[in-house]
Amino acid sequence: EDQVTQSPEALRLQEGESSSLNCSYTVSGLRGLFWYRQDPGKGPEFLFTLYSAGEEKEKERLKATLTKKESFLHITAPKPEDSATYLCAVRSSGSARQLTFGSGTQLTVLP
Amino acid sequence: DGGITQSPKYLFRKEGQNVTLSCEQNLNHDAMYWYRQDPGQGLRLIYYSQIVNDFQKGDIAEGYSVSREKKESFPLTVTSAQKNPTAFYLCASSKSRGGEITEAFFGQGTRLTVV
Repeated sequence: EDQVTQSPEALRLQEGESSSLNCSYTVSGLRGLFWYRQDPGKGPEFLFTLYSAGEEKEKERLKATLTKKESFLHITAPKPEDSATYLCAVRSSGSARQLTFGSGTQLTVLP
Repeated sequence: DGGITQSPKYLFRKEGQNVTLSCEQNLNHDAMYWYRQDPGQGLRLIYYSQIVNDFQKGDIAEGYSVSREKKESFPLTVTSAQKNPTAFYLCASSKSRGGEITEAFFGQGTRLTVV
């Protein structure tokens, strides 16, 4: 059974204070790792897909990286508008037709 | 604009009542999904469908039913058998390539409350 664990559960940063969110996974053959952003009361918004260890993707202040056991979402010089819950999901060879989600990291960036 | 439309945004259900949540997509995606989200928890898969007239149970299908009569539509019925239906329901869709899905895109959700 695929498992995804995100840490920390909640993170409070001052504006401009860079940090990283962690997503560790246990799957039977990773076929894709996905990052989403979710604002309160809304559906998740797709951010990145990573397929293999060593791969990196960037978008504005966000950078996602992938190793064989975990992924990191690095947030550089965050702004208050980056406050949201960040979700990680995996697709595996054992469950190629569905995604398994972690419980998310709730990020708050204070002005 | 292409996207996924869920309706209604808010829904109230009386005890013992069945309710149906609507999900429509115009992205021409083959696969569609229903997830349930409870406070402090991740998304849990209820049902998914890879093609028209075919669907599979997810991890928490008990008390729910779906249909897939058209590629664009994947309604979810929450039946009276679902003992704790109050939650945020999310519909998603994705492309399917060689039997494997790509990234999923989500609707804005329906918040269901039992009154």
